[in-house]
Amino acid sequence: GENVEQHPSTLSVQEGDSAVIKCTYSDSASNYFPWYKQELGKRPQLIIDIRSNVGEKKDQRIAVTLNKTAKHFSLHITETQPEDSAVYFCAGWDTGRRALTFGSGTRLQVQP
Amino acid sequence: DAGITQSPRHKVTETGTPVTLRCHQTENHRYMYWYRQDPGHGLRLIHYSYGVKDTDKGEVSDGYSVSRSKTEDFLLTLESATSSQTSVYFCAISEGTGVGGGYTFGSGTRLTVV
Repeated sequence: GENVEQHPSTLSVQEGDSAVIKCTYSDSASNYFPWYKQELGKRPQLIIDIRSNVGEKKDQRIAVTLNKTAKHFSLHITETQPEDSAVYFCAGWDTGRRALTFGSGTRLQVQP
Repeated sequence: DAGITQSPRHKVTETGTPVTLRCHQTENHRYMYWYRQDPGHGLRLIHYSYGVKDTDKGEVSDGYSVSRSKTEDFLLTLESATSSQTSVYFCAISEGTGVGGGYTFGSGTRLTVV
């Protein structure tokens, strides 16, 4: 099955700085990589995703990059704001189970 | 809202008792999933369903069973609750065709086993 590792586990940045979260995956057939944001006490919500036929995708201040050869993908948040503070999860599609396997999460704190 | 609801939102139960959590969707999505969330472990797959009466085990299925008799309902049962099953349980739905698709999560059920 798919195994997804995520780093760092915590990340603290100053407001306005950029933040980068990295994930690696094991299933070379995996074709779908979403990112979820979870605020305290809330449900995870999809913020951006990328498929294996695309190398980069942007949506305003967030972007995701994918390196299929190295089997890693990253979330980039630019011009961070206090409301970006949350736990972020990466995930990879397990082609055997037809389900997402999640990383262990990154707690991002944006200091005003 | 998101078209997916979980019940109950909170539950405290005693060790050894059976517990059933319910996930209800109004989106008519084929795929439904149960995950548990624990600090340091992210979200781990318990069981999932591809359709009515079509379910399978995830990575942490021991001590859990599921049933899906209708498209809209996916039930998770802890057969005999243990303290290690204290967790937050999330249900998710996906309209994906099995080749990878985003989830919509329910609000979660916080279960405490004492």
